[in-house]
Amino acid sequence: NAGVTQTPKFRILKIGQSMTLQCTQDMNHNYMYWYRQDPGMGLKLIYYSVGAGITDKGEVPNGYNVSRSTTEDFPLRLELAAPSQTSVYFCASIPGQGLIDEQYFGPGTRLTVT
Amino acid sequence: GENVEQHPSTLSVQEGDSAVIKCTYSDSASNYFPWYKQELGKGPQLIIDIRSNVGEKKDQRIAVTLNKTAKHFSLHITETQPEDSAVYFCAASSPPFGNEKLTFGTGTRLTIIP
Repeated sequence: NAGVTQTPKFRILKIGQSMTLQCTQDMNHNYMYWYRQDPGMGLKLIYYSVGAGITDKGEVPNGYNVSRSTTEDFPLRLELAAPSQTSVYFCASIPGQGLIDEQYFGPGTRLTVT
Repeated sequence: GENVEQHPSTLSVQEGDSAVIKCTYSDSASNYFPWYKQELGKGPQLIIDIRSNVGEKKDQRIAVTLNKTAKHFSLHITETQPEDSAVYFCAASSPPFGNEKLTFGTGTRLTIIP
């Protein structure tokens, strides 16, 4: 298993541009998450999904959109990039139903908006 | 919602000494408390966790203690080694969520001095 994979690893965007951060897991996990990590701020939940076709907002959803058309993929969309969205983004997944406690994280995408 | 505070933000200890990181939480209903380790350039990885029906849990050189009355929990690392250098995050989860929805602390950067 590759686990949780994220692309790209790094990206620089200009203000107002849009992009999609890709996340894929090959563990057949039901739950998937997007977090952002800012220096000294820990991990903040942006959106999460409990299964294909179901998504819900986390703590900091403004400026982002998600979709979950398959179990494997959970892309995060930035429509109008702003400097405040400069951060490191992590995708994570768990099986759900209390099967395994650990959230499996991808390696992250470092995004800079200038 | 839940709020998790973590201290200290940085910690340096001599190799072989012990390190202690503390977290407090606000929701008395919280019942699941994991600790994640994040090495440079990687996503966080679960190292130990504890549930509210247990006061202490140990795994080799790592232990976690929970004080439900005071609403705080701590990570203890004994006989520290250079590979323990990383950023450590605590987290908490409240019902109805178990491990499905976590609130993270702001992180502690631990440096082991050889």
